[in-house]
Amino acid sequence: DTAVSQTPKYLVTQMGNDKSIKCEQNLGHDTMYWYKQDSKKFLKIMFSYNNKELIINETVPNRFSPKSPDKAHLNLHINSLELGDSAVYFCASSQWGAGGPAKNIQYFGAGTRLSVL
Amino acid sequence: QKEVEQDPGPLSVPEGAIVSLNCTYSNSAFQYFMWYRQYSRKGPELLMYTYSSGNKEDGRFTAQVDKSSKYISLFIRDSQPSDSATYLCAMSGAAGNKLTFGGGTRVLVKP
Repeated sequence: DTAVSQTPKYLVTQMGNDKSIKCEQNLGHDTMYWYKQDSKKFLKIMFSYNNKELIINETVPNRFSPKSPDKAHLNLHINSLELGDSAVYFCASSQWGAGGPAKNIQYFGAGTRLSVL
Repeated sequence: QKEVEQDPGPLSVPEGAIVSLNCTYSNSAFQYFMWYRQYSRKGPELLMYTYSSGNKEDGRFTAQVDKSSKYISLFIRDSQPSDSATYLCAMSGAAGNKLTFGGGTRVLVKP
């Protein structure tokens, strides 16, 4: 039973389209994240939600809009897709709290490979 | 310049050798230091974490942090072909939730 699952695994689309990626976790965590991993393997945080509240919002174009309907789900909607949006997008979840990774290990999904043509 | 620098490799070693990986960073506010392993077409998984300076050992893995030099290392002893993966260092401040990753080093362990 997958802990953090993302759909779809692969997404190929044309420039200018709008697309969504869905993420669900069954770990009972209260915090979820979206990361972007570019072709050089750099993994960079985009957003984080804690109990459905946005707590991390990095410098990301406003074409990207996360939505958290409940603690177990975090979706990412992307408007007007551009070539530079091609990357692997990872969802992760953890339990929020101070104390570092011992208390809030982040578990990652398998990623969604987005190709914009 | 990136906040966290990591040699992309690939680093190719024979089975049984010691694999040595490292990262340098510029942000002195980082307090937690982690190593993630990422197999091809999979998400990263946490291998080890260390708080502040010092060493930590877990089986074949040893993590070292030198905050004065802003330098962290991961050593893998008796490397196995199953250790072939990309290894990402990551760091965070006091809260530990916002991770800053290095670019990853690809490791190939040849039988």
